[in-house]
Amino acid sequence: DQQVKQNSPSLSVQEGRISILNCDYTNSMFDYFLWYKKYPAEGPTFLISISSIKDKNEDGRFTVFLNKSAKHLSLHIVPSQPGDSAVYFCAASGEGNTPLVFGKGTRLSVIA
Amino acid sequence: AAGVIQSPRHLIKEKRETATLKCYPIPRHDTVYWYQQGPGQDPQFLISFYEKMQSDKGSIPDRFSAQQFSDYHSELNMSSLELGDSALYFCASSLGRGGDQETQYFGPGTRLLVL
Repeated sequence: DQQVKQNSPSLSVQEGRISILNCDYTNSMFDYFLWYKKYPAEGPTFLISISSIKDKNEDGRFTVFLNKSAKHLSLHIVPSQPGDSAVYFCAASGEGNTPLVFGKGTRLSVIA
Repeated sequence: AAGVIQSPRHLIKEKRETATLKCYPIPRHDTVYWYQQGPGQDPQFLISFYEKMQSDKGSIPDRFSAQQFSDYHSELNMSSLELGDSALYFCASSLGRGGDQETQYFGPGTRLLVL
């Protein structure tokens, strides 16, 4: 059973528009959520995170929203750029330095 | 800034051979995690170490073992390799501080191919 779910395997967005990537989780013990960006043959690159005590965290063009009651988080990228094209993984962990549980990823394509 | 270093980057082995993957965490990071990513799959947690002690264990086969050394680098030892062990192996490191949540930073991975 997949505890972290990214139901959209792929997403295409026009350059300059907003990209919204979604993630759902089932384990209520998760309290730290992260987004990673991954290019082929490279390791995941950390983008942004959010603790369960917050509902929004912003870093430049990237904003993560957390809805704990719905067990749902989303990553907004505004404006989207062609260099944002990659696979985006949502990940979650419990309290402390516990292992990450990943979603299956969403491939974002930003079209110029 | 220094990142997580993994070696080798690529490795080709025959079935039943052994392999050793190495991971050098970001300086001052004391926690190391190993993940396995099969083709088209999400990364799956194998094992982690905090201050040279095993802290969590995931879906690591009994044929695999790992340890963290005094300089905080870690090695993943894989024996009796099987075709299904072909995957990307990622190491991540973080700065463990008890109950605080610390971001895990990933290395570039080792691509293992078992023939």
